[in-house]
Amino acid sequence: VLTQSPGTLSLSPGERATLSCRASQSVSSSFFAWYQQKPGQAPRLLIYGASSRATGIPDRFSGSGSGTDFTLTISRLEPEDFAVYYCQQYVTSPPMVTFGPGTKVDV
Amino acid sequence: EVQLVESGGGLVQPGRSLRLSCAASGFTFGSYAINWLRQAPGKGLEWVSFIRRRASGGTTEYAASVKGRFTISRDDSESIAYLQMNSLKTEDTAVYYCARYFCGGGACGYDQWGQGTLVTVSS
Repeated sequence: VLTQSPGTLSLSPGERATLSCRASQSVSSSFFAWYQQKPGQAPRLLIYGASSRATGIPDRFSGSGSGTDFTLTISRLEPEDFAVYYCQQYVTSPPMVTFGPGTKVDV
Repeated sequence: EVQLVESGGGLVQPGRSLRLSCAASGFTFGSYAINWLRQAPGKGLEWVSFIRRRASGGTTEYAASVKGRFTISRDDSESIAYLQMNSLKTEDTAVYYCARYFCGGGACGYDQWGQGTLVTVSS
């Protein structure tokens, strides 16, 4: 089970956003990722392998963490960054994929 | 350009069946695991199923909520993945996405998503 906090983060453009994701048991960093989703759109991969930025993702997005605690940081919020963010893990035994409930970043 | 395009969604009565398709282009389809995920209206993301690439056995996995009712398959010659959904329930109502599972340098994530297709299960 993945738990995300806070549920909603109210910030202004230019501010720093720190989103947390906690796993109920240790997760392989290789299989941990973060996604951004805007209304009416499919999710977009931001960070994979806990800390690698996906292609085309600005460097204001960064991921860190290991074991059970992971963090997504947006260094300076741009207007287009207000969205819902999901963490995701893949575990191998038994094979399954789970997502956190999401953190909404709004103005 | 890499693309995934889902089709086959619609309105269906409880207990009936529906088959979704995911047509891929712009990449070597057979080299990737393909997943189906869904999102109920106003809710978060839920993994449904995945099928491994042939080189990894082409085996399948399912979420507990759909196991025994849904079947994932793939046709690498046509670059299409399918999700056969039987015995549909009202709680299966969602936007269904197919997504490519990418692994590079030992790190993995869903790097390409389709636009989604809406399945509504209602009488």
